[in-house]
Amino acid sequence: ELKVEQNPLFLSMQEGKNYTIYCNYSTTSDRLYWYRQDPGKSLESLFVLLSNGAVKQEGRLMASLDTKARLSTLHITAAVHDLSATYFCAVVKNTGTASKLTFGTGTRLQVTL
Amino acid sequence: EAGVAQSPRYKIIEKRQSVAFWCNPISGHATLYWYQQILGQGPKLLIQFQNNGVVDDSQLPKDRFSAERLKGVDSTLKIQPAKLEDSAVYLCASSLDGTGDNEQFFGPGTRLTVL
Repeated sequence: ELKVEQNPLFLSMQEGKNYTIYCNYSTTSDRLYWYRQDPGKSLESLFVLLSNGAVKQEGRLMASLDTKARLSTLHITAAVHDLSATYFCAVVKNTGTASKLTFGTGTRLQVTL
Repeated sequence: EAGVAQSPRYKIIEKRQSVAFWCNPISGHATLYWYQQILGQGPKLLIQFQNNGVVDDSQLPKDRFSAERLKGVDSTLKIQPAKLEDSAVYLCASSLDGTGDNEQFFGPGTRLTVL
């Protein structure tokens, strides 16, 4: 069974600081997503990472994928309050008849002024 | 393009009562998913439909949960009877197909509280 773990589970950081969220998964995967979820809202897709060494950046967020280590990172540069949300990684595993998206536990990010 | 629609947005019931949720996927999306998200956790897949057929329902508690997608478009998820531990947000998602090459788009969710 595919397991996806994130750490930290909760992150409080000051504006302007940098930090990294880690996502480990237990078996080989076909692709990996990062999502953002604001309180009471649904999931917003941020990035999809398809292959080893993939790196994508959007604003202050940068995601990378190391398929050999089964590790993805979401790096936050010079955090701002608007980035406060819960971030999930999710791993796709194709089973032949279907593909399944397995989510991590989530990292709740709080950016303080 | 309209997104995934869900209703109701909120529902409060007492344990042992029944409840049903409705989902309308993005037009043209063949694959529809229902997820359960318990507070503080990531979403967990309950059931996946390809058109009107079930592809994966391995994590659906079939003694109390049922789902259907009769015409391959809208879907309903039912819980009967509800338990306290069913309190969660139920998310519906859709994708063009279920191969994994196409992104899933999520609806706003239905927040269920079982008292």
